[in-house]
Amino acid sequence: AQSVTQLDSQVPVFEEAPVELRCNYSSSVSVYLFWYVQYPNQGLQLLLKYLSGSTLVKGINGFEAEFNKSQTSFHLRKPSVHISDTAEYFCAVSPWGDQGGKLIFGQGTELSVKP
Amino acid sequence: GAVVSQHPSRVICKSGTSVKIECRSLDFQATTMFWYRQFPKQSLMLMATSNEGSKATYEQGVEKDKFLINHASLTLSTLTVTSAHPEDSSFYICSAVKGLNTEAFFGQGTRLTVV
Repeated sequence: AQSVTQLDSQVPVFEEAPVELRCNYSSSVSVYLFWYVQYPNQGLQLLLKYLSGSTLVKGINGFEAEFNKSQTSFHLRKPSVHISDTAEYFCAVSPWGDQGGKLIFGQGTELSVKP
Repeated sequence: GAVVSQHPSRVICKSGTSVKIECRSLDFQATTMFWYRQFPKQSLMLMATSNEGSKATYEQGVEKDKFLINHASLTLSTLTVTSAHPEDSSFYICSAVKGLNTEAFFGQGTRLTVV
């Protein structure tokens, strides 16, 4: 079975500071990896995804993530956060070779950016 | 872009009544739609996969007689929570894909409160 673990439930950070949101996964097969952002009472918006190729993936809003197969990790980073980045972030995997199909989500990380 | 719209965004219903949530793909035809449930401060859990014109496939532990899913057209899937109880209160989110191995687009979610 596949699983996703987000190691931090809450991450407080000051504005303009760098941030890393950690994600580890477990799977016996190859997976596609995703990061989504959810603003209060809203649906999910795709930040970035890794399907194949370069392990460093750049997404929207200045976020990037690096796929590390040996460590089964897909950590999300941003060099300088803004107040508007305050939201819930979800890491997800799709182990069935279908990037749009059934997604397995982590527990979420609440990013709180303080002035 | 691809837009998925859910309606209503919020609904309050009395215990014992049924409530219907709609998920529409506004600018594309969705071969498959997915329904997720999100408890407060928790991750999204897949409830069922809905293909146009066929019966939905429910995940283990999801009561298909309680959560009725209909995918009558390529742009509309509905989730009906029958005989709702307070424990059914949750945030329900749908996603839709244009085809196999294509990106999933999420609706904005529906917050259901059963009183």
